[in-house]
Amino acid sequence: AQKVTQAQTEISVVEKEDVTLDCVYETRDTTYYLFWYKQPPSGELVFLIRRNSFDEQNEISGRYSWNFQKSTSSFNFTITASQVVDSAVYFCALSETDSWGKLQFGAGTQVVVTP
Amino acid sequence: NAGVTQTPKFRILKIGQSMTLQCAQDMNHNYMYWYRQDPGMGLKLIYYSVGAGITDKGEVPNGYNVSRSTTEDFPLRLELAAPSQTSVYFCASSYSGQTSTDTQYFGPGTRLTVL
Repeated sequence: AQKVTQAQTEISVVEKEDVTLDCVYETRDTTYYLFWYKQPPSGELVFLIRRNSFDEQNEISGRYSWNFQKSTSSFNFTITASQVVDSAVYFCALSETDSWGKLQFGAGTQVVVTP
Repeated sequence: NAGVTQTPKFRILKIGQSMTLQCAQDMNHNYMYWYRQDPGMGLKLIYYSVGAGITDKGEVPNGYNVSRSTTEDFPLRLELAAPSQTSVYFCASSYSGQTSTDTQYFGPGTRLTVL
């Protein structure tokens, strides 16, 4: 069963618009970790953020912000004032307790930012 | 540090051929992982290792084999290549596998096509 769902396949925005990426996860563990990774056109995976299940405090880092809500099992990611360099595939991932660090990825959301 | 390196970057195989995808890390990480990324999909775990001499299956291990004779290297072997194995393969490593504090670092990927 899919444990991480990213329902948005592709989002296209014009530069300076905000873009929000949705992530819904499923787990029975009470302790788990959620991640966002960025995959630019060059193909490498870049770690963006980690959140543990006990920390629902939302966070802002520069133009990035994250909204974690356990009640709805969602971990959404927003890029404010998007730039062309933000064009990439963004993956949400889940790691459960005692999983030896194994990551379960969503299918990814392609973000296209045009000038 | 070079981080996580993978060779080759690209490879085309014929059905039934065999090959080994190389992965090496110079960060003294204990945990190493192999993922595959099919077009339009997230990464799926093939095999992982928690230390030299210890490996275990992930979500999609069929058609692959691994070994971990040293801390640095974690090669992935395809014995009888099939078109279903056409994918991009990512190797990753982390120090402890503790996702509460540890980050997985990914290699640049190997793009494999089986014809």
